[in-house]
This record gives sequence, structure tokens and C-alpha cells, in this order.
Amino acid sequence: DARVTQTPRHKVTEMGQEVTMRCQPILGHNTVFWYRQTMMQGLELLAYFRNRAPLDDSGMPKDRFSAEMPDATLATLKIQPSEPRDSAVYFCASGPRLGQNTEAFFGQGTRLTVV
Amino acid sequence: GQNIDQPTEMTATEGAIVQINCTYQTSGFNGLFWYQQHAGEAPTFLSYNVLDGLEEKGRFSSFLSRSKGYSYLLLKELQMKDSASYLCAVRGDRDDKIIFGKGTRLHILP
Repeated sequence: DARVTQTPRHKVTEMGQEVTMRCQPILGHNTVFWYRQTMMQGLELLAYFRNRAPLDDSGMPKDRFSAEMPDATLATLKIQPSEPRDSAVYFCASGPRLGQNTEAFFGQGTRLTVV
Repeated sequence: GQNIDQPTEMTATEGAIVQINCTYQTSGFNGLFWYQQHAGEAPTFLSYNVLDGLEEKGRFSSFLSRSKGYSYLLLKELQMKDSASYLCAVRGDRDDKIIFGKGTRLHILP
């Protein structure tokens, strides 16, 4: 049963601490997306990768956020230092080389609370 | 720039039909997705349109007009389990970037 796996599922941290979220895309998928979801803004695209190379991270606050793919089975999103306004659900999604009729598959998300 | 608009909330009755509209303005277009998201869960794929016209899949249908920048999701024979948010998303033509609207929260009344 192929699925996108995200860890941790929940994270509570204090302001100023570093947070690392991990994502294992579906085996064979070469496109990976990071989204942030809040009630106010909905699903915002933070960054995305193709074949491990970052294609667009314009949606990400560069001063504190960073996204990487150390290898094809792992994508990471780091926040350092974290702030209360970063509290949100962070979703990772993966897809094969997106041609027609090919959707992105979402992980279960990491619910981050910064206090 | 990119802009995707859909109503914030809608209410419908069990057994009825509801249409959720989505309008978009994007710098490029290579397909429109509809996703369903239940509270506390991940979005799950419902439909994909890249050509004009209607795609039917069981109780759900999705329509696209590229010239009008318009799509709708039609849900028939509504069931209580259809209470969820429905997200419209557009993929760009020069890359595989998928941008989402803010979603429409659908409430189903018995």
C-alpha cells in the first residue's frame, strides 16, 4: 500500500526552537511538494522538488525555513527559529513525473504548535 | 500571478445535488484538480480536468471551461459523509507546480 509518510504527526515546541519535519515520498515518485495549511490562508505551497532539485521555494520565508531532499526517499522541512505564527499543519505530497491525469498524493501531515 | 476563487462555505441537504464553483486566473494552465478533505485529514484526489467538458465519476462530476477560467464540482445524491472541504487546484504549464484555492466547506443537513 504505497503512501506518503510524514513524521512526526504532531509537534509542540517553544518559540525559538528548531523544528524538523520529515517526509518519505512514494517510491518512484520524483516530484515532492511542501504545503502549509491554516484556516485563514488555506493550503499554501512552500516549496517543491523534482528529482531532488528545488524548483521553486518562493512561498517559503527564507530567513527561517529551509527545505532539502538529502536522497530520493527523504524530504525535510526545517524551521529555525520557530515562531507562534508558524503554527499550522504541514503537508508533504508526492507525484510521479506529472503528465496528464496524474495527481499529487498527500501525507497525513504534521500538526505544529509553537507556544 | 495566480488567483483561485471558490465559495468559503455551502450547505445542502442529504439526497440533494450541489455544485461548487471555482474560477481561476493563472499565468499558465495545464490541468485543474478537485480534492476532498475531511476535518483533521489529508486531502484526497477526486478529479482532474485538462480539456473542456464534463468528467463523470460515480456521484461526482467535474466540469472545465478553459476560455472562461471556470470549473465546477457537482455532487449528486448527497450523503452525510460528503460533509468536508472541497479544494480546487490548478497546475501551471511550464512546471508541475500545483496551487490550491482556499477550499469550500460543505455542510450536509439531514
